[in-house]
Amino acid sequence: QVQLEESGGGVVQPGRSLRLSCTASGFTFSSYGMHWVRQAPGKGLEWVAIIWYDGFNKYYTNSVKGRFTVSRDNSKNTLYLQMNSLRADDTAVYYCARGMYSFDYWGQGTLVTVSS
Amino acid sequence: QSALTQPASVSGSPGQSITISCTGTSSDVGGYNYVSWYQHHPGKAPKVLIYDVSYRPSGVSNRFSGSKSGNTASLTISGLQAEDEADYYCSSYTSISTRVFGGGTKLTVL
Repeated sequence: QVQLEESGGGVVQPGRSLRLSCTASGFTFSSYGMHWVRQAPGKGLEWVAIIWYDGFNKYYTNSVKGRFTVSRDNSKNTLYLQMNSLRADDTAVYYCARGMYSFDYWGQGTLVTVSS
Repeated sequence: QSALTQPASVSGSPGQSITISCTGTSSDVGGYNYVSWYQHHPGKAPKVLIYDVSYRPSGVSNRFSGSKSGNTASLTISGLQAEDEADYYCSSYTSISTRVFGGGTKLTVL
């Protein structure tokens, strides 16, 4: 069965960096686009980024452009989100999700807290 | 990249039907048939209910249906059940190849 498992969350000071990972299993990872979606405490879902199946096309929401980088290693069935220059408003549960125009499978999420 | 507009809350009694609207622009909802809907119980992973405006994934109850008219998409839940109480989100593809969610709607089953 399809499984997505995020890892790498934690508490980090403002201005520092963190890298999230999403390990996929149960499907041909290299055939699917993948997304990062986040949910700040008490807020709604916010789309963060997409990377195409082959890693060549990437798109980001405006608030993370230039600070976050999405990448993937299809040989390791793993999706990444490198987050630099973190701010307090990046505090959220970060989910990885499979799909192109919709998100058909989601992980359980990993919590990132940006605080001094 | 403004969020799509959803009502903050809706409510209904068991057995009733409710509809949640999702309003965007011609650059997202109105321009593409790539609207999807998600059910989110707090602390759990979101679950897709509808994709491509009106298609239901296998395993999703036929009590959930989707439609679109112009810049507004809608999710209808018929035969409300207690377990339908959750947060619901719409999402759309956009003209700049990004994705956007609605602000979310809290459904209360009375």
